[in-house]
Amino acid sequence: DAGITQSPRHKVTETGTPVTLRCHQTENHRYMYWYRQDPGHGLRLIHYSYGVKDTDKGEVSDGYSVSRSKTEDFLLTLESATSSQTSVYFCAISESVTPAYSTDTQYFGPGTRLTVL
Amino acid sequence: GQNIDQPTEMTATEGAIVQINCTYQTSGFNGLFWYQQHAGEAPTFLSYNVLDGLEEKGRFSSFLSRSKGYSYLLLKELQMKDSASYLCAVFYNQGGKLIFGQGTELSVKP
Repeated sequence: DAGITQSPRHKVTETGTPVTLRCHQTENHRYMYWYRQDPGHGLRLIHYSYGVKDTDKGEVSDGYSVSRSKTEDFLLTLESATSSQTSVYFCAISESVTPAYSTDTQYFGPGTRLTVL
Repeated sequence: GQNIDQPTEMTATEGAIVQINCTYQTSGFNGLFWYQQHAGEAPTFLSYNVLDGLEEKGRFSSFLSRSKGYSYLLLKELQMKDSASYLCAVFYNQGGKLIFGQGTELSVKP
């Protein structure tokens, strides 16, 4: 299994509070991703990183920010949590992206279940 | 958009064979992945196809036709533990992002 951990694994918070989720990898992979998974929508990309301090938006980035100060850590921040951000959040890593090779395979962390009341 | 279409649910019998289909938009296609996800767990990688044809890995095989924008995952000798959601994901060369289908929930019954 790829060495990916996420913290916390579960969190309940209130609307309007800031929340930070952490993804930590021990694989030294260059690319890291944050997804959310909701019933009826599947996995959707929030933000991704292609190196230290290099990040870009995914398809559902509104209300989220990210930071990557070290290769091994990728942080996802909800500046002011809303009930619509209640979801399961997955971090993923990959060695490469294009052109497509098997090293583009993304490996997922265990997930964080976030509930915003 | 880059819609990835797969059936929402399927049911099959233990010991049987099941085929889960996935169709996708071909423009910009650069590879297709299948993942398995058990309830409450993370997706785990099953297979990868970039060229036309069949890739076999034990009881699981994945097929790709790039010209038709079509793939399937074939599961043989079904076991109860194969009950899970199966996610089709396509790698498009615009920005190097994976686009996921909504997943097919497979129930294996005795």
